[in-house]
Amino acid sequence: QKEVEQNSGPLSVPEGAIASLNCTYSDRGSQSFFWYRQYSGKSPELIMFIYSNGDKEDGRFTAQLNKASQYVSLLIRDSQPSDSATYLCAVKGIQGAQKLVFGQGTRLTINP
Amino acid sequence: KAGVTQTPRYLIKTRGQQVTLSCSPISGHRSVSWYQQTPGQGLQFLFEYFSETQRNKGNFPGRFSGRQFSNSRSEMNVSTLELGDSALYLCASEGGGETQYFGPGTRLLVL
Repeated sequence: QKEVEQNSGPLSVPEGAIASLNCTYSDRGSQSFFWYRQYSGKSPELIMFIYSNGDKEDGRFTAQLNKASQYVSLLIRDSQPSDSATYLCAVKGIQGAQKLVFGQGTRLTINP
Repeated sequence: KAGVTQTPRYLIKTRGQQVTLSCSPISGHRSVSWYQQTPGQGLQFLFEYFSETQRNKGNFPGRFSGRQFSNSRSEMNVSTLELGDSALYLCASEGGGETQYFGPGTRLLVL
């Protein structure tokens, strides 16, 4: 089992709809959870981080964390074509190591 | 504040050569982490330096090494390059708040 798993996609969503990206992780002791966006040919850009169970909202983005289910998600409301990118889930604290472990990323396409 | 800078941005080397990549973190950030990104393996952690000391290490062979200077700038070195070392090398800077900010990366092609 991979330490951090994401559906690789591609995930196709119509413009204006809600895009839902999911991530599961293997270590129940993991502490911090991050979502990065990566455009083709560019480096990852931090979107959000979440530490506590529940929802965290920032503009059109909402991160959701459920530690009991070892599940973290990212919702993008009112999706725009500029949201088309690969979204990377990263987890810190797997097996106590203070390093980021990344999922393979989900490629999201927003269709006008 | 200026962001994370990496030099060079692109590099072409041949097998057997060695390469040194440089990273300057965000001003005030003392932690620098290095990652390798390939289409097949995704983003993989190489190592992290904090206050000139290697604090964490990933599962890469000893050909991959790094160091950090007193001004927090970091370098990574890859010796005896192999074709499989072709990748985007990313460094990330962290200022104590757990969030890491990535530089633009160095794209290395090994021929």
